[in-house]
Amino acid sequence: DGGITQSPKYLFRKEGQNVTLSCEQNLNHDAMYWYRQDPGQGLRLIYYSQIVNDFQKGDIAEGYSVSREKKESFPLTVTSAQKNPTAFYLCASKSEASGTNEKLFFGSGTQLSVL
Amino acid sequence: KQEVTQIPAALSVPEGENLVLNCSFTDSAIYNLQWFRQDPGKGLTSLLLIQSSQREQTSGRLNASLDKSSGRSTLYIAASQPGDSATYLCAVTPHFNKFYFGSGTKLNVKP
Repeated sequence: DGGITQSPKYLFRKEGQNVTLSCEQNLNHDAMYWYRQDPGQGLRLIYYSQIVNDFQKGDIAEGYSVSREKKESFPLTVTSAQKNPTAFYLCASKSEASGTNEKLFFGSGTQLSVL
Repeated sequence: KQEVTQIPAALSVPEGENLVLNCSFTDSAIYNLQWFRQDPGKGLTSLLLIQSSQREQTSGRLNASLDKSSGRSTLYIAASQPGDSATYLCAVTPHFNKFYFGSGTKLNVKP
């Protein structure tokens, strides 16, 4: 079955540590996104990518980094510069980067907590 | 900047009741509006997408309407069931790579 796989489901970060969240899709989608969800709040965009080797900052990119070396993969690194990383992180994709009427597909999320 | 609001934040209804969830947005220049369902600790699942030229979309017991000029959308759920219990979020798309989400309405359908 096609879909988006996020791993791990739970992740703990020590102070000063960088951690990487994995996102893999087998939907052959062009565009991929990373969102952050805090309790009782809407999703906020961290980074997005329309094509391999290209990505753009979203609304809250500070303290995060991404790469898009393969179409299927869009990993997110939470760096030590992100002082409040505890949140639920969601990866999403849609089939055409410039399509305006396409559904967003989501992975099952990674809960990141600080030790 | 686009602001998306969902009221109420939580709703509890008895099984079998018909219900309406509300979504409002501040800028009517959108391509579409999507309704999503989120179960606890899970990702979002797209339920319905209404294009800006459309007034409504239906899928099974769900019906979503869109009034762009007033900046409002409603999600109607007919004959609610306990399995409908989840958080429902709406999102508008003012740009093909921008999605602005509301904070959701947490629905509890009591048996």
